[in-house]
Amino acid sequence: ETGVTQSPTHLIKTRGQQVTLRCSSQSGHNTVSWYQQALGQGPQFIFQYYREEENGRGNFPPRFSGLQFPNYSSELNVNALELDDSALYLCASSFADHTDTQYFGPGTRLTVL
Amino acid sequence: SQQGEEDPQALSIQEGENATMNCSYKTSINNLQWYRQNSGRGLVHLILIRSNEREKHSGRLRVTLDTSKKSSSLLITASRAADTASYFCATINTNAGKSTFGDGTTLTVKP
Repeated sequence: ETGVTQSPTHLIKTRGQQVTLRCSSQSGHNTVSWYQQALGQGPQFIFQYYREEENGRGNFPPRFSGLQFPNYSSELNVNALELDDSALYLCASSFADHTDTQYFGPGTRLTVL
Repeated sequence: SQQGEEDPQALSIQEGENATMNCSYKTSINNLQWYRQNSGRGLVHLILIRSNEREKHSGRLRVTLDTSKKSSSLLITASRAADTASYFCATINTNAGKSTFGDGTTLTVKP
């Protein structure tokens, strides 16, 4: 157990809808990163938040957005869902930026129908 | 294309044997990390090696890093059935502000 929690565990949405996924970071960590993992592939970096500011972004369109709150928990929002958004969404917390070890949550399985 | 690419894609061995997985990457890195994932669950951090290190050990794990060849290897010695999982390398480039994972090696250890 890493101390990183994510909710919900599973989620089913339809195309065009919007979804919000949540992540609580490990105590003492001020950085949260979000990843998308399609079946049979490795995690793809979406973005990272450090002290409530976006601190790096992968190749994802603007309909993927996020927030980090003063308690360092975080949300990932995806608008206008597409079928290809079906994946396991992972968040990882760390004390600093990417140079530090990242501790992953169990993930949210999103299915878009 | 992926920054980090693991090789082989799949590996099947008997309990007690050693397992070696390789990772190649394309651009400069600050550090490289290896992770393990059991069947669609969260990733577990195994070991971090910095760009100025060449080898690191942790229990039955040994990681090497060759920055001139842009490659790393993970060796698991005396494997156990519980080591069955997918293993990923992640290359970290702080200038680019991102971590990049490969598609992993699926290891099966037969009892």
